[in-house]
Amino acid sequence: NAGVTQTPKFQVLKTGQSMTLQCAQDMNHEYMSWYRQDPGMGLRLIHYSVGAGITDQGEVPNGYNVSRSTTEDFPLRLLSAAPSQTSVYFCASSRQGLSGYTFGSGTRLTVV
Amino acid sequence: AQKVTQAQTEISVVEKEDVTLDCVYETRDTTYYLFWYKQPPSGELVFLIRRNSFDEQNEISGRYSWNFQKSTSSFNFTITASQVVDSAVYFCALSEVNTGNQFYFGTGTSLTVIP
Repeated sequence: NAGVTQTPKFQVLKTGQSMTLQCAQDMNHEYMSWYRQDPGMGLRLIHYSVGAGITDQGEVPNGYNVSRSTTEDFPLRLLSAAPSQTSVYFCASSRQGLSGYTFGSGTRLTVV
Repeated sequence: AQKVTQAQTEISVVEKEDVTLDCVYETRDTTYYLFWYKQPPSGELVFLIRRNSFDEQNEISGRYSWNFQKSTSSFNFTITASQVVDSAVYFCALSEVNTGNQFYFGTGTSLTVIP
């Protein structure tokens, strides 16, 4: 089915470990974003991209890196995981023109 | 400053009651978009509606309706004759054209419909 695919769905990391959350979409959407969702804080934008080769920081970018080498993929890298990065992460994509984001099913990350 | 405020953290209603979820936004842009998303207990985010800043017509979709008022910077969401399946967290979001398609989400309203 077309949509946004996130992997893994669940992950436990030890403090200091690194990992990459994968995000892929097959709708040829120009825009892709990463959000984190924490209790009582809604969704906050980490990084976003308006096209291949273009990325920019959102509201809470520290501790995360992204790249957009293709239109389809937008991986999120945690360089050195910290307990404060325990959260649910959502990837989203949208066609240019603000037609509304399609969200992936989320990745629940726990850092111990 | 919070760009999107959802003052109601939690609401409980009895099935078949009507319920309105409030959303107040803040922006200096003249061109912007407002959204509502539903997050059921399963966790996925479901797109409900998009409204642009030039269209203040109210919209109705089945039991759902939206009231957009630029004069009060509000974009409220009403569920008529609520059902247990409406139980979810509802998020209002704002996107400003001048900030490159960034979404600003409210903190969400958790709705519980009691059978």
